[in-house]
Amino acid sequence: KNQVEQSPQSLIILEGKNCTLQCNYTVSPFSNLRWYKQDTGRGPVSLTIMTFSENTKSNGRYTATLDADTKQSSLHITASQLSDSASYICVVSDRGSTLGRLYFGRGTQLTVWP
Amino acid sequence: EADIYQTPRYLVIGTGKKITLECSQTMGHDKMYWYQQDPGMELHLIHYSYGVNSTEKGDLSSESTVSRIRTEHFPLTLESARPSHTSQYLCASSDGVGSTEAFFGQGTRLTVV
Repeated sequence: KNQVEQSPQSLIILEGKNCTLQCNYTVSPFSNLRWYKQDTGRGPVSLTIMTFSENTKSNGRYTATLDADTKQSSLHITASQLSDSASYICVVSDRGSTLGRLYFGRGTQLTVWP
Repeated sequence: EADIYQTPRYLVIGTGKKITLECSQTMGHDKMYWYQQDPGMELHLIHYSYGVNSTEKGDLSSESTVSRIRTEHFPLTLESARPSHTSQYLCASSDGVGSTEAFFGQGTRLTVV
């Protein structure tokens, strides 16, 4: 069964600190992995997208890594800001169908305190 | 900023009413999707479309229906709303498969009382 598991479920950090969010998946055949940021009551917004051959990708203070062999990904946030408080969702796409089915994790709820 | 719009953003409606959630995109994308998301839970695919006159049911069974008469428009309809339909509904679109991007609307928060 294709699944995406994220940890931790929730995380509280102080402003300026770094943090790392984890994502493990069993989706096969793998196409790509995306990290989305979802503010409360709003739609997800893409942060990064990585294909099988990519190990790391950065977007400002966000750096995602991918190990396709162990089927693990991480999202590292550097020098956190209050505006980083949101849910971070790991999404894995398969290439076994023309739809490019998206499988969603439950997200990590990040809270940044001043 | 993605050009995909959902209306209304919030809707409170009585049991038994018929409702239509609107979703429009101006990017010319062929593929469009409806997801349902309960608080703190993952997104579940309830409907998708490959293009005009193409609609399919997703992974999560839903009593809602969709139509795709125009490329840019993918409305979702509930003929008779029930409290169990209370949820957030998110619309998305993409222009292909694989590494292409999926853009999401802001969502509609539906409450059925």
